[in-house]
Amino acid sequence: EPEVTQTPSHQVTQMGQEVILRCVPISNHLYFYWYRQILGQKVEFLVSFYNNEISEKSEIFDDQFSVERPDGSNFTLKIRSTKLEDSAMYFCASSESGGVTYEQYFGPGTRLTVT
Amino acid sequence: GENVEQHPSTLSVQEGDSAVIKCTYSDSASNYFPWYKQELGKRPQLIIDIRSNVGEKKDQRIAVTLNKTAKHFSLHITETQPEDSAVYFCAAVGVNDYKLSFGAGTTVTVRA
Repeated sequence: EPEVTQTPSHQVTQMGQEVILRCVPISNHLYFYWYRQILGQKVEFLVSFYNNEISEKSEIFDDQFSVERPDGSNFTLKIRSTKLEDSAMYFCASSESGGVTYEQYFGPGTRLTVT
Repeated sequence: GENVEQHPSTLSVQEGDSAVIKCTYSDSASNYFPWYKQELGKRPQLIIDIRSNVGEKKDQRIAVTLNKTAKHFSLHITETQPEDSAVYFCAAVGVNDYKLSFGAGTTVTVRA
């Protein structure tokens, strides 16, 4: 069964540095998402992406964050000038289409630690 | 925006007993309610979902009920087994929405 993959599984970075988290969505899926989960807290929506543009973003997703689909397979989340509070598990997800009809499939996550 | 509350935060049950997790949501326009199971160190996986035109749905030992008037929905696991031990998240999606709004999660421990 096809799966969403994410790399790296764990990323350690120093405060102020930039990180890029990578995701490969399921190949026939058209909608892509990033969520994050701070340790001990709920999973929070960051951004959704369709047709090469952001379709929705949360208030968390400010100018520090950006997303890109640089080629036909990868979907990336860039975090500029990382802060301690950016430490979290970041999940990528994809769905065949948007809305309530289609299941969102999650990747295994990237644990980001900012020191 | 949508606010989903989930209770309890932890649940310990004896193997073979039932487990019930309850969620409430704030946006009456929400019409899709999935439940995800997350085992330690693994990705969240959809285990069951329900849409607003249905009051109950069952899949083997798992069932979900929805009360739209009260804006709450519940997950029921019967005849629990050790492999049911995990964190369970409820979520809601609005009619014009694409994002999942998650509850805080319930850590279920099934005692052998």
